[in-house]
Amino acid sequence: EVQLVETGGGLVQPGNSLKLSCATSGFTFSTAWMNWIRQTPGKRLEWLAQIEDKSNNYFISYLESVKGRFTISRDDSKSSVYLQMNNLKEEDTAIYYCTWSGNYGYNSFDYWGQGVMVTVSS
Amino acid sequence: EIVLTQSPTTTAASPGEKVTITCLASSSVSNMYWYQQKSGASPKLLIYSTSSLASGVPDRFSGSGSGTSYSLTINTMEAEDAATYYCQQWSSNPPTFGSGTKLEIK
Repeated sequence: EVQLVETGGGLVQPGNSLKLSCATSGFTFSTAWMNWIRQTPGKRLEWLAQIEDKSNNYFISYLESVKGRFTISRDDSKSSVYLQMNNLKEEDTAIYYCTWSGNYGYNSFDYWGQGVMVTVSS
Repeated sequence: EIVLTQSPTTTAASPGEKVTITCLASSSVSNMYWYQQKSGASPKLLIYSTSSLASGVPDRFSGSGSGTSYSLTINTMEAEDAATYYCQQWSSNPPTFGSGTKLEIK
């Protein structure tokens, strides 16, 4: 069974940092392309970042508006992906999902975690 | 970036009724993907590459379209299909989602 479990969310003040983790199981993580997507309080879905696999030199892409503040990384030995978020703003308040691309090609988000809430507020 | 406009925003259907949700893209895309999100749950992939059903998805769901116009159809509405549906493209960066269509059961 495919599982993705996000942790690390919480309440943080504007300007502070937070690191999200996503532990996975049930699929071959080393060849998976992993993404972070968030869902705002208004239910809008927004893709944030993707990290490809080792065969693609762990190529990384970001949504332009988070480039320089957010960093995606992965540890294949732990089947985990991470999202380091710095200089957080109130508009970063959202549910953050870890997703796997690769079961049906690489242009869709085939499996999603349960999500973790991040609240940025003073 | 490509903007995806879904219609209707909300709709309701009786059991057994046919439902169609439309997704219009601001530029031509090669494929569309559809997700179902039930209340309190994370999104789940329903349709990939415009018209292929993801594993375990009932065959009352279907997808079609090309260019800038795509649709998701539920052939016979069931109570468990009450959810919000989102379209998504990744023909150009960044990948984007529609704003969602909330489907309720009458």
